Amino acid sequence: DAGVIQSPRHEVTEMGQEVTLRCKPISGHNSLFWYRQTMMRGLELLIYFNNNVPIDDSGMPEDRFSAKMPNASFSTLKIQPSEPRDSAVYFCATGGTGNEQFFGPGTRLTVL
Amino acid sequence: GENVEQHPSTLSVQEGDSAVIKCTYSDSASNYFPWYKQELGKRPQLIIDIRSNVGEKKDQRIAVTLNKTAKHFSLHITETQPEDSAVYFCASNPTTNTDKLIFGTGTRLQVFP
Repeated sequence: DAGVIQSPRHEVTEMGQEVTLRCKPISGHNSLFWYRQTMMRGLELLIYFNNNVPIDDSGMPEDRFSAKMPNASFSTLKIQPSEPRDSAVYFCATGGTGNEQFFGPGTRLTVL
Repeated sequence: GENVEQHPSTLSVQEGDSAVIKCTYSDSASNYFPWYKQELGKRPQLIIDIRSNVGEKKDQRIAVTLNKTAKHFSLHITETQPEDSAVYFCASNPTTNTDKLIFGTGTRLQVFP
């Protein structure tokens, strides 16, 4: 199993541009989590899905952020328009039935 | 809501010494407590976890203890090595939403050779 796959690994964009981050969960895992990590705020849960349905999006910072999970093997996190304060590492994590979460390698986003 | 406090924020030890990191949680019904290790530039990786039906769990040089009465749990690393240097995060699951994990703020451990 390849584990959680995220793309791109690095993204540099200019303020105002749309950014799309992608995640492929571990096969058979039915929960998917999007986290943001910064020095100032640590590891923050943005949103999570169970069986492709959004369960808790209380961590999504504002309307510029949106997330989708159209099927069990793919999820996206979109930021439109992006701002410099969105610069962070974005992790996708997935889990099965036992509470454990396994993280992807992350996407390092820099918004200039 | 559920809150997880972690301390210390930084910890420096000599190689071979033991290191202990402590976390407290607020929801007495929480039942799952994992620990993650994050090396510089890498992803958080699950290193050990404990559920509320046991008080201690060991895996080679690492162990986790849980005190449900006091609502705290600890990570113990014995015979520390330079490769143990990393940021360690504790977490627990809020019972209102058991798939979710609330993470502590992390402890930066440095092991000096």
